[in-house]
Amino acid sequence: SQQGEEDPQALSIQEGENATMNCSYKTSINNLQWYRQNSGRGLVHLILIRSNEREKHSGRLRVTLDTSKKSSSLLITASRAADTASYFCATANQAGTALIFGKGTTLSVSS
Amino acid sequence: GAGVSQTPSNKVTEKGKYVELRCDPISGHTALYWYRQSLGQGPEFLIYFQGTGAADDSGLPNDRFFAVRPEGSVSTLKIQRTERGDSAVYLCASSTGWGDIQYFGAGTRLSVL
Repeated sequence: SQQGEEDPQALSIQEGENATMNCSYKTSINNLQWYRQNSGRGLVHLILIRSNEREKHSGRLRVTLDTSKKSSSLLITASRAADTASYFCATANQAGTALIFGKGTTLSVSS
Repeated sequence: GAGVSQTPSNKVTEKGKYVELRCDPISGHTALYWYRQSLGQGPEFLIYFQGTGAADDSGLPNDRFFAVRPEGSVSTLKIQRTERGDSAVYLCASSTGWGDIQYFGAGTRLSVL
């Protein structure tokens, strides 16, 4: 079963524009993570935000977390063609033994 | 090694055959996870190892699927009597421990004809 749901499913932008992806989840969490996946293969960890944090930055990435709404957003500023990928949010299951992923947002950045 | 290594990168087999997929975790990582990802979906959890033991195998879809990690390092995912519905990318991840960031391998794309 999927815990998180990303929105939109697909996003197409021009280089230099900002990209915003949203994630909603269902149960209480300790943290929420964002991953990137290129070409349907391995996932790369981008950022982890803890439940007591509201915003976190890493380079061109900005993540927000609203635990009252059970939602998170990932903002990529000044996008590049190399940012083209699928982006997933993930939360831990209740036992903390696995990550539960949403279906992802497919981002296409054209030059 | 520098990262999680999975072999083979691609595996084509016929319906009914047996397959083994291998995962070499990052050295020193005690936690190891297997996930399966179908086209257009996010990864779905299969099994979690802490050391040599399977601490959570609740994601294995049925008894045709089995995984081992005999020495607490390399893990093998075994699928018996493969079915076309088993076709997917099988991802392995490792972490330093329970609840820590998971680092993924490039996956094995399994195609069952």
